[in-house]
Amino acid sequence: DTAVSQTPKYLVTQMGNDKSIKCEQNLGHDTMYWYKQDSKKFLKIMFSYNNKELIINETVPNRFSPKSPDKAHLNLHINSLELGDSAVYFCASSPLQLAGVGETQYFGPGTRLLVL
Amino acid sequence: GQQVMQIPQYQHVQEGEDFTTYCNSSTTLSNIQWYKQRPGGHPVFLIQLVKSGEVKKQKRLTFQFGEAKKNSSLHITATQTTDVGTYFCAGHRAGGTSYGKLTFGQGTILTVHP
Repeated sequence: DTAVSQTPKYLVTQMGNDKSIKCEQNLGHDTMYWYKQDSKKFLKIMFSYNNKELIINETVPNRFSPKSPDKAHLNLHINSLELGDSAVYFCASSPLQLAGVGETQYFGPGTRLLVL
Repeated sequence: GQQVMQIPQYQHVQEGEDFTTYCNSSTTLSNIQWYKQRPGGHPVFLIQLVKSGEVKKQKRLTFQFGEAKKNSSLHITATQTTDVGTYFCAGHRAGGTSYGKLTFGQGTILTVHP
């Protein structure tokens, strides 16, 4: 029944490792996003895909690579993890709306990443 | 780039007191959205305002969108402990694409003391 799901929920890993986070939505939405939330609760968009096509790519290190195999899935792979990557990563999805009316974003439960 | 500022960053209130958070954008917005994130949870959509000067109410919550579509406020009357959480405003820049970037304010963390 979960609308937007993410795995894993928690991820503790060593510096320098490579890890992936997976996201799936069963809402039939066209657009999916990755956000990073730091310890001060600041939510910053990283990437956005619309129908498997990358449409937003914020200033994010090349170590972060999103991949959307289909419009219901958006994964995030992180290479060579650094201490500063520790944060909560939220996946979100939204339906396409009329111009001027913003898309409501449905967030997943988050993946709490801790890099040691 | 577009910036959305929110104040205050923290607010502590006694149960029953009112609470207001303010949101200001550096650019004109096409719409403003508000989200609530409970401690340990994820942001949940509350409401969207689209029209200049629009006011919407949800029970004890009142949302306003400024006339110039650059600012917004959320007011909670008679807070309850269930109101605890972080409140975010977020907006799309006017003139952007329909799936343009939603820029979030930094959030106001509300604590309610019983």
